[in-house]
This record gives sequence, C-alpha cells and structure tokens, in this order.
Amino acid sequence: QSVLTQPPSVSAAPGQKVTISCSASSSNLGFNYVSWYQQFPGTAPKLLIYENDKRPSGVPDRFSGSKSGTSATLGITGLQTGDEADYYCGTWDRSLSARWVFGGGTKVTVL
Amino acid sequence: EVQLLESGGGLVQPGGSLTLSCAASGFTFANYVMTWVRQAPGRGLEWVSTIGASDLGTYYADSVKGRFSISRDNSKNTLYLQLNSLRAEDTAIYYCARHGGSCSSGSCYLESWGQGTQVSVSS
Repeated sequence: QSVLTQPPSVSAAPGQKVTISCSASSSNLGFNYVSWYQQFPGTAPKLLIYENDKRPSGVPDRFSGSKSGTSATLGITGLQTGDEADYYCGTWDRSLSARWVFGGGTKVTVL
Repeated sequence: EVQLLESGGGLVQPGGSLTLSCAASGFTFANYVMTWVRQAPGRGLEWVSTIGASDLGTYYADSVKGRFSISRDNSKNTLYLQLNSLRAEDTAIYYCARHGGSCSSGSCYLESWGQGTQVSVSS
C-alpha cells in the first residue's frame, strides 16, 4: 500500500484540464518537496515536476504542480492525446527511516 | 548529455543471485546521489535502494533489506545492485536514477533515469 495516495485514473476530452491529487498518509511528508514523473508504456519514467511546482527545461507550461500541507496536485491544461500516460508523485521521506515513497500512479486517458 | 545504462538483468531461479550495473556518463558521477527503483509487471514504481555521493550512506526498502546490496565505483562511473536470495516477487524492471536537489533539505528528486533492465525470477 502506497504511502502517497493517487486516484487510479482520470480522463477528459482534448483541450480540457485534468488534475491529479497526491495525498500523504503521514504528516511528516508535509515538510518535504514533491516531484512528479510521467511514464509512457514500455518506457522509463521522466521527471515532470520537481520541488512541488518547478518544471525541468523542455516540459511544457501546460503541466503545473502545487502543494498544500500534506497534499500535492498535478495539473494538465490543454490536454493532448500525447499526454496519455501514467503519472506518479514521489517524495523523499526523511522520517525515522529515510526512503523514497511513491504514489500508486494515475492513468490519464484522453477521451 | 546525461546517460544511464543499466545491464545485468536476466532470468534467475528463486534463491539465485544477480548483479545489476548502471554505467553513467555525461556528468560527474561521484558528485551525485544515486537510486534504484523497480517496477513489477503492471504495477507502479517501487523504491529499492539509495546510495550517497561522498558519504556513501546506503538506504534500503524493507522488502529488500538483508538481500540486496547497493554500491558504486566512482572511478568507473558505475552504480551496482547485488541481488541475493531472489524471490518471484522481485521480478521487475530495475531502473537506476540520478538525484537532483538535496535530500538533506527535503528537496530531492529523480532527475535522470536509465532505460531499465529486466529481472525475472522463476523456476
């Protein structure tokens, strides 16, 4: 069972907006930064958002991140068919035993 | 350009061993924290192990503690993962990833990923 909880799937029509939530089960995670990863079938994950809301070079500004308390959100506006992928949130947990924790992943479907 | 190239995966019987390698190029390997993440068929990402850059501190998921061992050879720009006492549930694609940011301040992320190497445990 993931320490970070994501909805299994979200969907919307092309051009619409979707949001993916990422909720932590422990208040300790509220003090950590969240990152998001995009994964297409059969390929490696790719960093999409880091430090809650920053985009690496090359990531379109249609992708955005935010965080409040122990919850984070990934937003995708102007949805495109090429955005169909799995999305994972993750954070480095610095509590008793340092570790990476990931959400279970969210499948984005463009209708 | 940052490149991470995993190798060493394969089919192994339960109880067997494997050593995975991750060859790094395009950056100063010795300066970066490195992590192994795995993904079982049809499942999500699961953290396996992390190793520090200079202090060489190591961290393991409970599911692999005592069976897997992470190490690095900075002179060869290579990260390793020794897998012992393998179980069917260890079957997965294993990815190596380079950290960005600073974990000590709570701000770290997996900035670059390799393409992965498949490990299958079956009799």
